[in-house]
Amino acid sequence: KAGVTQTPRYLIKTRGQQVTLSCSPISGHRSVSWYQQTPGQGLQFLFEYFSETQRNKGNFPGRFSGRQFSNSRSEMNVSTLELGDSALYLCASRQYWGGPVNEQFFGPGTRLTVL
Amino acid sequence: QKEVEQNSGPLSVPEGAIASLNCTYSDRGSQSFFWYRQYSGKSPELIMFIYSNGDKEDGRFTAQLNKASQYVSLLIRDSQPSDSATYLCAVSSGAGGTSYGKLTFGQGTILTVHP
Repeated sequence: KAGVTQTPRYLIKTRGQQVTLSCSPISGHRSVSWYQQTPGQGLQFLFEYFSETQRNKGNFPGRFSGRQFSNSRSEMNVSTLELGDSALYLCASRQYWGGPVNEQFFGPGTRLTVL
Repeated sequence: QKEVEQNSGPLSVPEGAIASLNCTYSDRGSQSFFWYRQYSGKSPELIMFIYSNGDKEDGRFTAQLNKASQYVSLLIRDSQPSDSATYLCAVSSGAGGTSYGKLTFGQGTILTVHP
């Protein structure tokens, strides 16, 4: 079974631009979560989507948004990029939404550099 | 106090030894506990998942959970140089069924296994 895929793998943008990242979950997985990883802050939760609805949100400004499509694929968007948005953006999928017995599997990530 | 804390490391062990990684968490409502391994430049890889008190073994890995003490650990037996990586402890709370998809991560422990 194929794993989580993310595109693009690398991205360079300038301040003020916007960016859209894409994630395809493992086949059959319906929940997608997004995380930001930086050397200073570590791995931080952005948001989770299930059935095309945002179910949970982390402490990030409104410039960070996302959506999920009917085939469970998800996109996240960052508008008005800042230098501090440079990070590894990770997508993770899990099979269900409810219940604690439900592992999350990460994709390879998108490395975003903001100049 | 950080929500999830790991021993700061770095941890260095000789090949063949037992590596012990520790993690404490502050939210008593936490229900699921994960250990991820992350090689430099790669995304996190799930190696263990535990949600019941006690021990869970998978090959050379044993996860131990003590909810009363809010403590989870990972033991790696017969450590190999290929185990050298950053180990991330992650916790999900699941309060009201809305937070299972939100993982809160520790800062990670760097493990080096030397020949």
